[in-house]
Amino acid sequence: DAGVTQSPTHLIKTRGQHVTLRCSPISGHKSVSWYQQVLGQGPQFIFQYYEKEERGRGNFPDRFSARQFPNYSSELNVNALLLGDSALYLCASSVSYATEAFFGQGTRLTVV
Amino acid sequence: KQEVTQIPAALSVPEGENLVLNCSFTDSAIYNLQWFRQDPGKGLTSLLLIQSSQREQTSGRLNASLDKSSGRSTLYIAASQPGDSATYLCAVRGETSGSRLTFGEGTQLTVNP
Repeated sequence: DAGVTQSPTHLIKTRGQHVTLRCSPISGHKSVSWYQQVLGQGPQFIFQYYEKEERGRGNFPDRFSARQFPNYSSELNVNALLLGDSALYLCASSVSYATEAFFGQGTRLTVV
Repeated sequence: KQEVTQIPAALSVPEGENLVLNCSFTDSAIYNLQWFRQDPGKGLTSLLLIQSSQREQTSGRLNASLDKSSGRSTLYIAASQPGDSATYLCAVRGETSGSRLTFGEGTQLTVNP
């Protein structure tokens, strides 16, 4: 069975640009969450979507947005990139609202 | 606001040793707690999930315990191997925070052959 898949795996962007990260959950999972992990720290919660509705939002600026599609895949969008947005972005899926989370391999974003 | 602390931040042990990683959280109103493993530059691998009503969970050489009232969890690794070298992360899911996981900063484990 395929696990959580994220694309791209690595990305380099320039300050001020926009980026879109993609996530496909495990088949049958209806919840997708996004996390940001800065080097040396634990992941920080950004968004959670369940059944295509936003169910939670972390302490991130409005430059960050996300959505979930009818097939339960998800996109994370970040506008007006800053150097501080450089991080590993992780996607997690779970069967339902608060069950065990399974993570993808992440997208490494570097902003220069 | 939930805060999760992991001690020690780093640990180096010889192969074969049994070891304990500690996790503490400030708000005991949790739904469940999950332990993860992370290899350098990689995603997170789920190791064990403990529901708030459970005291412990076991998987192979791993055993995780939960004392919800005191806000503590431990991950016990038996007979450590070099392949266990990784960062171990503890995360809690609050009763009122939906699916949001609050993570500690992890314990970086090195098992020397």
